[in-house]
Amino acid sequence: DAEITQSPRHKITETGRQVTLACHQTWNHNNMFWYRQDLGHGLRLIHYSYGVQDTNKGEVSDGYSVSRSNTEDLPLTLESAASSQTSVYFCASSEISGNTIYFGEGSWLTVV
Amino acid sequence: GIQVEQSPPDLILQEGANSTLRCNFSDSVNNLQWFHQNPWGQLINLFYIPSGTKQNGRLSATTVATERYSLLYISSSQTTDSGVYFCAVERGNTPLVFGKGTRLSVIA
Repeated sequence: DAEITQSPRHKITETGRQVTLACHQTWNHNNMFWYRQDLGHGLRLIHYSYGVQDTNKGEVSDGYSVSRSNTEDLPLTLESAASSQTSVYFCASSEISGNTIYFGEGSWLTVV
Repeated sequence: GIQVEQSPPDLILQEGANSTLRCNFSDSVNNLQWFHQNPWGQLINLFYIPSGTKQNGRLSATTVATERYSLLYISSSQTTDSGVYFCAVERGNTPLVFGKGTRLSVIA
C-alpha cells in the first residue's frame, strides 16, 4: 500500500544543533507539506511544495528550511534548534490542490 | 487569510449519546476535510467533503458551501471516538488551514 512515512518518530536534541526530519511518500503526489502542532495553536503550516524544485514558506517558517529534489521526499531542516521548536511535526501530501490530503504519523521533537 | 472556527471547543458525552460538531469558515473553499486525532496523536482522515453530505458508519458530515459551514455528526458514541476532531479547509492553491479542534471525551 502507498503511504507517507516520517523519521525519526521521536528525537531529543540540544539547542543549537542542526536537525533534519525526513518525510517520504510513495503515492507520487505533487504536493507535500510540513505542519507543527502545539497546544493552544492547533496545526500550523511551516513549508510546502507543489512539485520538484518548488518550495514555499508557510505561516511559521522562521528557523526552518526544506528542499524538494524528487517527488517522494520533503526533508525539514532546523538550522539551529531552539527550545521554541519543541513540538510535534506532521508531514502531509496530496495529488493536487483540492484533493484529499494525507498525513504521516508525526515526529515528536524535544530541544533541550 | 481564511479563518476556520470550530465549536464547541470541548465536549463530554456519555457512551451512546449523539453529538454535532460545527466548523465555520470565512471564505469559499475547494477542499474541506474532517480529521480525528486519536490519543496516540495520529491524524485520521474522516471525510473529504467540500460540499454535500457523506456517511461512514456512525459518522456523517454535511457541508453547506454557500453558507460556509460544515457539520460532523457522531451517533451512538463510543469511548474509541474520544480525541480531537479537526476541520481544515483549502482555498485555491493555499494549503490546508486548520481550526483549533473540538476535544471529545466519551465516558463509559
